[in-house]
Order: sequence, then C-alpha cells, then structure tokens
Amino acid sequence: AQRVTQPEKLLSVFKGAPVELKCNYSYSGSPELFWYVQYSRQRLQLLLRHISRESIKGFTADLNKGETSFHLKKPFAQEEDSAMYYCALSTGANNLFFGTGTRLTVIP
Amino acid sequence: DGGITQSPKYLFRKEGQNVTLSCEQNLNHDAMYWYRQDPGQGLRLIYYSQIVNDFQKGDIAEGYSVSREKKESFPLTVTSAQKNPTAFYLCASSIAGALYEQYFGPGTRLTVT
Repeated sequence: AQRVTQPEKLLSVFKGAPVELKCNYSYSGSPELFWYVQYSRQRLQLLLRHISRESIKGFTADLNKGETSFHLKKPFAQEEDSAMYYCALSTGANNLFFGTGTRLTVIP
Repeated sequence: DGGITQSPKYLFRKEGQNVTLSCEQNLNHDAMYWYRQDPGQGLRLIYYSQIVNDFQKGDIAEGYSVSREKKESFPLTVTSAQKNPTAFYLCASSIAGALYEQYFGPGTRLTVT
C-alpha cells in the first residue's frame, strides 16, 4: 500500500542554518512526489514537484528511489519559511497521499 | 479571496444529525476533492470528482456522501453513519489531469457533540 512518512512533527532551526525536512514513501510503482506548504493563516499550496526539478523559494527536493525518500532542503533558512510542510505522493491515479506534516519554525 | 471557498468556517452539530459542508470554486476546474484532516494525521481523501455528475470514493468514504450537479460546486454531507465526524474538512480543486496542483479552500471545522 502507498504510504508517506514524515518522521518529524516539529523542526526548529536558526535563521541562516540549513534545513532538511524528511519524507519517505512506500510505493512499488513509479511515484510522483510533491511538497505542499501552509503558511500561517494561508491555504495549503503546492511548493514543488520532483518532476520539475526546480528550486522554489530556495527549496529543492531530490527523489531518491533507492532510499525511497524525497527530502526537502534549503541551505539557509529564513524566518518566512516557518510553516507547515506536507509531503505527498501520487501513484498516477486520481489520488494524492499526504504525510502527517512537519511544522518548521525558524528562530530569528 | 476568491478561487475556492468553503462555508461555514466553523460548524457545530448534534450527534445523529446529517450536515452538509459547502465547497464552491470559480477556477473552472473539472476536478474537485474532499479531504479530512485529524490531529497527527495527514490529509485523507474522502471523495473526488473528475467531472460533473460523476464522483469516486476515496480512502475513507464511509459515512459521507457527495454530489456534483454543477462544475462549480461539490458539497459534502456528513451523515449520522459517520462514527467520528469531528474533524477539519478541506476541499480542493484542480484542472483535469493535474491532480498534483490542487487549490485548497480554507477549510471547515466540524464539531459534533
């Protein structure tokens, strides 16, 4: 069965420090992975998808099929990065499987 | 703040009553979704609809019903058969074939006592 695991419910880093939000998945086929973000008082929105291989707001995420991971990284965290982050998996059907989310707090 | 709206923001019901949550979008999206979010859990798909007059069950459809009579609207009814209805409900929409880029509503928090 498909599953997305985000092992950290809470993550705190200092401003300017590197940040990595972990995401592991289980799926036997070819997955599509995404990161969604929800800033305070805003709606959940798509941050990035692995297929596009782009950097959004300084964040990148590489799909590692060997480790079944899709960790979200940023070299220098900013205060405005504080938010709730969700990793999501698509199996090609009309369904997105979400992880439980990680709340990132960037300490000034 | 248009796009996709959900009303009301907070909803209170007595146990045993059916309740309908509203979801409207003006994005001209074909696909719409309903998720449930509980503390410590990710979003779980209740129902989705790819086109008017058609919808499919998601992972946790039991105790819920939906309709899709108009492209813009996808109301969710939480029936009395739903054993644990108190939760935060999120509606989303996307263009057909791009389910990954879902636009989410602000959510409705339902409390059943």
